[in-house]
Amino acid sequence: DAGVIQSPRHEVTEMGQEVTLRCKPISGHNSLFWYRQTMMRGLELLIYFNNNVPIDDSGMPEDRFSAKMPNASFSTLKIQPSEPRDSAVYFCASSLQQQETQYFGPGTRLLVL
Amino acid sequence: SQQGEEDPQALSIQEGENATMNCSYKTSINNLQWYRQNSGRGLVHLILIRSNEREKHSGRLRVTLDTSKKSSSLLITASRAADTASYFCATAPTGTASKLTFGTGTRLQVTL
Repeated sequence: DAGVIQSPRHEVTEMGQEVTLRCKPISGHNSLFWYRQTMMRGLELLIYFNNNVPIDDSGMPEDRFSAKMPNASFSTLKIQPSEPRDSAVYFCASSLQQQETQYFGPGTRLLVL
Repeated sequence: SQQGEEDPQALSIQEGENATMNCSYKTSINNLQWYRQNSGRGLVHLILIRSNEREKHSGRLRVTLDTSKKSSSLLITASRAADTASYFCATAPTGTASKLTFGTGTRLQVTL
């Protein structure tokens, strides 16, 4: 298996632009997680899905952030409009079940100017 | 809130020495996991230990779990420069609806 796939790996955009991050989980995994990591705040869970259904989005910073999982093999995290404080590394992870081992993607390094 | 707290925040040792990192948490758990993160990379799972287990080994890694003290330790024996990374514990609280929660990590530096 190729592992969790994220795209793009790097994104540089200007404030106010829409940003879409993409994730392909490991085939057969039922849970998918979106994290954000910064030096100041560490690793933060934004939202997670079980069987394509959002279970907990309490970590989503504000209405500018939205996430979807239209099917078992694809998820997106969208920021609209983006702001400089959104600059971070965004990780997607998947697991067989929500409390079991999580497999992380390589991350998307986002810079909002 | 349920969260693993690692101690120390940073650790610097020489190659060949052992490194010990600790994790404390607040409420009952189903399992506790340790992850490693190399600079600029995603987290990589190392070991999962369940609440009914006390010790687990994987190569040069040894993990212990003391549920009465709500703490865990990760021991890396005979450390190598390649072990330089941040190490995170993650706790899975009891209650099937609860999610895994990551701590703030220990930054390990292994020098030659």
